Amino acid sequence: QKEVEQDPGPLSVPEGAIVSLNCTYSNSAFQYFMWYRQYSRKGPELLMYTYSSGNKEDGRFTAQVDKSSKYISLFIRDSQPSDSATYLCAMSGNKAAGNKLTFGGGTRVLVKP
Amino acid sequence: EPEVTQTPSHQVTQMGQEVILRCVPISNHLYFYWYRQILGQKVEFLVSFYNNEISEKSEIFDDQFSVERPDGSNFTLKIRSTKLEDSAMYFCASSTGGWTGELFFGEGSRLTVL
Repeated sequence: QKEVEQDPGPLSVPEGAIVSLNCTYSNSAFQYFMWYRQYSRKGPELLMYTYSSGNKEDGRFTAQVDKSSKYISLFIRDSQPSDSATYLCAMSGNKAAGNKLTFGGGTRVLVKP
Repeated sequence: EPEVTQTPSHQVTQMGQEVILRCVPISNHLYFYWYRQILGQKVEFLVSFYNNEISEKSEIFDDQFSVERPDGSNFTLKIRSTKLEDSAMYFCASSTGGWTGELFFGEGSRLTVL
């Protein structure tokens, strides 16, 4: 079983729709969970960061973590064409700084005008 | 806005040659990282560096790889004898070391080994 699994997509939605992304993981030691956005030929950019289980909201973005199910989600409300990118989940077991992040393979999202 | 800068953006080399990839992290950051992404695959951790020494490395980071902070601003990744399978995008990242875990990534250096 892969340590972090993520549907590669592509996920195509009309502008204004809700985008729903998720990752599953197998390592119960993971405590810090992140979502990164990566545009073509660019480096990953941090969108959301959560610790342990629970929800976190930031503008149009909501991140959810369910440690009991080893399942994390990212929701993007009122999606825009500029949201078209690859979304990567990442997680770590200790204080994220100074320790390695384990990434999912990324989900490609296309928001059509 | 401060950013992580990487050079070169693309390097083509022959198998067996040495390659040095350079990074200038954000100036007040304390932790430095190299990650790589083989085309179509996941972003993979290579190494983290703090206080002038390696704090963690992956099994990918074997004796062919080394990192160095030769001065107060640059952070380099050296591959001593490149292999075909080293072809990838290499990302440098840095962070303040705070628990927020926000890693700022550079735009990457694409390495092509022929």
